[in-house]
Amino acid sequence: DTAVSQTPKYLVTQMGNDKSIKCEQNLGHDTMYWYKQDSKKFLKIMFSYNNKELIINETVPNRFSPKSPDKAHLNLHINSLELGDSAVYFCASSQDLNRESDEQFFGPGTRLTVL
Amino acid sequence: RKEVEQDPGPFNVPEGATVAFNCTYSNSASQSFFWYRQDCRKEPKLLMSVYSSGNEDGRFTAQLNRASQYISLLIRDSKLSDSATYLCVVNTATSGTYKYIFGTGTRLKVLA
Repeated sequence: DTAVSQTPKYLVTQMGNDKSIKCEQNLGHDTMYWYKQDSKKFLKIMFSYNNKELIINETVPNRFSPKSPDKAHLNLHINSLELGDSAVYFCASSQDLNRESDEQFFGPGTRLTVL
Repeated sequence: RKEVEQDPGPFNVPEGATVAFNCTYSNSASQSFFWYRQDCRKEPKLLMSVYSSGNEDGRFTAQLNRASQYISLLIRDSKLSDSATYLCVVNTATSGTYKYIFGTGTRLKVLA
């Protein structure tokens, strides 16, 4: 039933580790996004994909590598985790990146804590 | 200057009060505008889109002033359940691609 789902919901790990977060949407949308919300609650876009193609990469360190195996899935792999990566990561989807009025639907978030 | 700016609050208001939030944006070419609501430890959800002519949804009224580049949200007859963070979102075309830019949010606490 869930429109946009993410796993895991919580992730606690040590600095230097590599981890992945998975996202799936069952809305039939063409576009998916990853956002990072830091401790100050600022929600900032990291990546967007349209039909499996990378469209936006907001100067995110290349330790972050998104992968979209199909348009319903957008996973985020993070190498060599750093303390500053601790945040809530939200996946989202919208119908089409090139339609200005589309609503974005967000997943429940993944709370990443790097120790 | 931030692309989208909001007063972070918190706005503490009694139940039944009317409260208004403003949001300013820097890119005059921005195309569409939204208010999202985010409850504590939850994901953002669309509250309403903002149209040039202004729009109303029950107790909520949104307005857009393109000349001054600001958006407003008015909540009438506040309920305890309105307590949340309200995010102003601006969709701007960059190199032919639309990008959603979020403000930092305005926190509202409605008090009994």
